[in-house]
Parts: sequence; C-alpha cells; structure tokens
Amino acid sequence: GAGVSQSPSNKVTEKGKDVELRCDPISGHTALYWYRQRLGQGLEFLIYFQGNSAPDKSGLPSDRFSAERTGESVSTLTIQRTQQEDSAVYLCASSLVTGATYEQYFGPGTRLTVT
Amino acid sequence: LAKTTQPISMDSYEGQEVNITCSHNNIATNDYITWYQQFPSQGPRFIIQGYKTKVTNEVASLFIPADRKSSTLSLPRVSLSDTAVYYCLVVMDSNYQLIWGAGTKLIIKP
Repeated sequence: GAGVSQSPSNKVTEKGKDVELRCDPISGHTALYWYRQRLGQGLEFLIYFQGNSAPDKSGLPSDRFSAERTGESVSTLTIQRTQQEDSAVYLCASSLVTGATYEQYFGPGTRLTVT
Repeated sequence: LAKTTQPISMDSYEGQEVNITCSHNNIATNDYITWYQQFPSQGPRFIIQGYKTKVTNEVASLFIPADRKSSTLSLPRVSLSDTAVYYCLVVMDSNYQLIWGAGTKLIIKP
C-alpha cells in the first residue's frame, strides 16, 4: 500500500501568517508522530498521537503550535503567527504499536520557509 | 531518563565494515533500541531494532552488550550509497517516549 504522505511538499509563508501542514498516515497505523528538523540538525520530537488516547504534546515548542488527529486518520499540524525560526522540514511518521516492532514510517516532509 | 549519544561524524571506504556506536547509559529494562538511516531531502528510514545480544537483517547487524548501556550498528562492506546520517533511537516501552540521538554523518569514500 501507499506510504506516509505529506502536503504540501514546500510552503513559503510570510512572518506572522498561520500555516497548516497535513499528514496522511499508513492505513491501520495507530500511532502518528510529528517532528521538526532544522537544516543540518537532528530530529526534534513535537507531538505523538496513539489511537484515542490523549496526545503527548511534550515536544511542542510554544503555544503557537498545535496538532489534531481524528481517530487513526489524517493529522494536521498548525503553526500560528509563524516566525523565521519556524523554518524547517516538518516530518510526519506513523507506526503500528504492537510491542513487537517499533518501526516508524516517515513521510517525505514539508519544507517550511518563513520569510 | 535515557539519553543517547553518538559520534557526530565518521569516514570510511568502500568495501569496509563500519561500526557506529551509540551510548544510552540510563536505558530502562524494557526499552528498545532502533536505528534509522536518513538521506538528504528524505525522511528517515528504519534499519534495525533490538533488545539484547545480536540482531541481523539483510542490511545491518546490531550488537547490544549485556548491560545494554550501548549499542553498535554494523554495516558490512559499505558502498558509496551508504553515505547518510544514521540515528540511534531508544524507545521507552512504558510510554513510547522517544529518545533520539543527534545523528552520525557517515561519509563513504571510493
């Protein structure tokens, strides 16, 4: 089947505008993760959804960041009042959480540029 | 809380075996160790996971000593296409919290 998809692939926005990034996980994957990766840097965990449990929002850097997921389907990451330091690639990953495997499947990312 | 530490960069040559070690001193009993590979402009790709001793698949081996305070990803007979960033990740089984390493940039030379 299809892998994790993300849209848009690239987004250029002006400082102060809101942006919404979309992630379509692999069908049947109960877990969904959002990460931020700045140029040349490692992965920065943002938020984790697992089924109908309350999401783990411990990685969100400020209250300008929020994310939603309906059931085990699409997720959207919203950044309000964007700042230049929000420029990065935003990666989404999904996984089965079975206790037997911890493999995450990553999407291609959305490259966000705030001008 | 577990913290993962790995070398920033490594160089090797085609045909060599490459070993990348990650330290995770505070790993808990039920935590798992996984490794990912990332090429430029792509999302990371899962390579291997393990809990203890040795795990081998078609692309790599993972060695985990008895104390589990470190793990070593072994890539046999590397080629130029193995040039990438390799991430160590500890998955906390209790709550699925993720402890990512900062990544090791591996450069393979001809």
